[in-house]
Amino acid sequence: QVQLVESGGGVVQPGRSLRLSCAASGFSFSHYAMHWVRQAPGKGLEWVALISYDGSYQYYADSVKGRFSISRDDSKNTLYLQMNSLRPEDTAVYFCARERTGYYIECWGQGTLVTVSS
Amino acid sequence: DIQMTQSPSSLSASVGDSVTITCRASQGISNSLAWYQQKPGKVPNLLIYAASTLQSGVPSRFSGSGSGTDFTLTISSLQPEDVATYYCQKCNSAPFTFGPGTKVDIK
Repeated sequence: QVQLVESGGGVVQPGRSLRLSCAASGFSFSHYAMHWVRQAPGKGLEWVALISYDGSYQYYADSVKGRFSISRDDSKNTLYLQMNSLRPEDTAVYFCARERTGYYIECWGQGTLVTVSS
Repeated sequence: DIQMTQSPSSLSASVGDSVTITCRASQGISNSLAWYQQKPGKVPNLLIYAASTLQSGVPSRFSGSGSGTDFTLTISSLQPEDVATYYCQKCNSAPFTFGPGTKVDIK
């Protein structure tokens, strides 16, 4: 079955960097676009970034544009989110998610918590 | 960017009631809209895509409608397991913005 397992979260000081990973299994990873979505504690869902199935294009939310970078390694079936210049408002659970056709999100990981605090 | 709003922000209804949640886009998005259910402490679950297509495995009491800027999610007969927050999401183009959510509980 489809599995998405995030890792790399933790506590980080403002201005520092962190890289999240998402290990995918149970499907042909290279055939699907992938999303990152985050959810601050007690808040709603916020879409963060998308990478196309072949890595040829990426899209970002305005709140992270220029600071975050989404990438993928199809040889490792792994999705990444490089987060630079972190801010307290980036504190959230970060979910890795797989699209179904049309960018709808069909499968979600369990999430990894990122806390930005001094 | 297109903004997504939802109403109401919360509602309380009795078991068996019909419940309707509205999602509005600030500009037309054709039928490129999804609905998700997030139960407390759980990850979101896709209910409806392309505004009205029921995702496999989702109970038929859930239905979606709309096109352009106005969309609705209807639960035809509310069940205790439907207690959750419901989100819409635009999927026509980036950014793939979510609505703020509608919290549904049982009266």
